[in-house]
Amino acid sequence: NAGVTQTPKFRILKIGQSMTLQCTQDMNHNYMYWYRQDPGMGLKLIYYSVGAGITDKGEVPNGYNVSRSTTEDFPLRLELAAPSQTSVYFCASTTGESSPLHFGNGTRLTVT
Amino acid sequence: GQNIDQPTEMTATEGAIVQINCTYQTSGFNGLFWYQQHAGEAPTFLSYNVLDGLEEKGRFSSFLSRSKGYSYLLLKELQMKDSASYLCAVMDSNYQLIWGAGTKLIIKP
Repeated sequence: NAGVTQTPKFRILKIGQSMTLQCTQDMNHNYMYWYRQDPGMGLKLIYYSVGAGITDKGEVPNGYNVSRSTTEDFPLRLELAAPSQTSVYFCASTTGESSPLHFGNGTRLTVT
Repeated sequence: GQNIDQPTEMTATEGAIVQINCTYQTSGFNGLFWYQQHAGEAPTFLSYNVLDGLEEKGRFSSFLSRSKGYSYLLLKELQMKDSASYLCAVMDSNYQLIWGAGTKLIIKP
């Protein structure tokens, strides 16, 4: 099994550009999450989904959007990229709230 | 506010034992997780505690005291491959995970 797959691994954006970070999982998990990880800080939740067609904001949703049209896919959209969005982004999935998270390998994004 | 505290960095010697502490103040408690994260990689699950006491899993053990808002991760017989960051995360009353900043563990030969 591939687990959680994120693409791309690296990306450089100019200020004001847009992009979509892709995330797909093949474990039939209902719960999916997008986190960002900045140096010296804990993971911050951007958006999450408890099933297809359901999404909700996390702690730091501004500047991002998500959709969950299928159980497998949970893309994260950045509109009008800003330098503050320079970070490492992780997608994760799990079977339930008290179950361990399975993480993708991350996307390292730089906005200049 | 909600807060998770862990030491920023620790150093230990190969073959030794190290204890990484985590203290938390959260709105409610529905479990505490420990994850390992090697540099440039994704976090991977190590342990989950929801009741007080010690959970042992091979060389790694995790302890929880809910009344003290305290947990520790104990790593025995340290190996060079244990050099990584160790992340403590608490699930609050809304089943949201609150993450600590992580403890970078450096193992010296």
